[in-house]
Amino acid sequence: KAGVTQTPRYLIKTRGQQVTLSCSPISGHRSVSWYQQTPGQGLQFLFEYFSETQRNKGNFPGRFSGRQFSNSRSEMNVSTLELGDSALYLCASSLTTGGRLETQYFGPGTRLLVL
Amino acid sequence: AQTVTQSQPEMSVQEAETVTLSCTYDTSESDYYLFWYKQPPSRQMILVIRQEAYKQQNATENRFSVNFQKAAKSFSLKISDSQLGDAAMYFCAYRSASVSRGSNYKLTFGKGTLLTVNP
Repeated sequence: KAGVTQTPRYLIKTRGQQVTLSCSPISGHRSVSWYQQTPGQGLQFLFEYFSETQRNKGNFPGRFSGRQFSNSRSEMNVSTLELGDSALYLCASSLTTGGRLETQYFGPGTRLLVL
Repeated sequence: AQTVTQSQPEMSVQEAETVTLSCTYDTSESDYYLFWYKQPPSRQMILVIRQEAYKQQNATENRFSVNFQKAAKSFSLKISDSQLGDAAMYFCAYRSASVSRGSNYKLTFGKGTLLTVNP
């Protein structure tokens, strides 16, 4: 079974621009979560989607948004980029079975550099 | 809110030796998962091992095993017969197990322990 895929793998943007990152979960996984990883803040939760609905959102400004499609693929968008948005953005997918949350499996990440 | 603490920013081990990475956590929940993830330099984060809180038996995956002390809220990872390929950042993580707890779908991570394996 194919793993979680993320595109693009690398991005360079300038301040003020916007960016869209894509994530395709493992087949059959309907939950997709996004995390931001930086050397200073570590791994921080952005949001989680299940069946096209955002169930949770982390403590990030409104410039960070996401969505999930009917095929469970997810996108996240960052508008008006700031230098501090430079990070590795990780997507993770998981099953939800019988009312229990299952293990999250991660994609390779998208490394965003904001100049 | 749940917290995860890894008190060892860096550890080193000789090849073929055993090393233990420490993790403590804080939660008021009774039903949860604990994980160790491994992230090699510039490579993908992968699951090493998972422990379900309601299981008393410590999880084991080949050379990797955990010491889960629920009352003490401690969850350490032991790597036996260390190999050069084990060199990576190791993250301890917590996640609620029940879907009903709507505010806790996320993984809460520790800051990580950078493991170096010396030949």
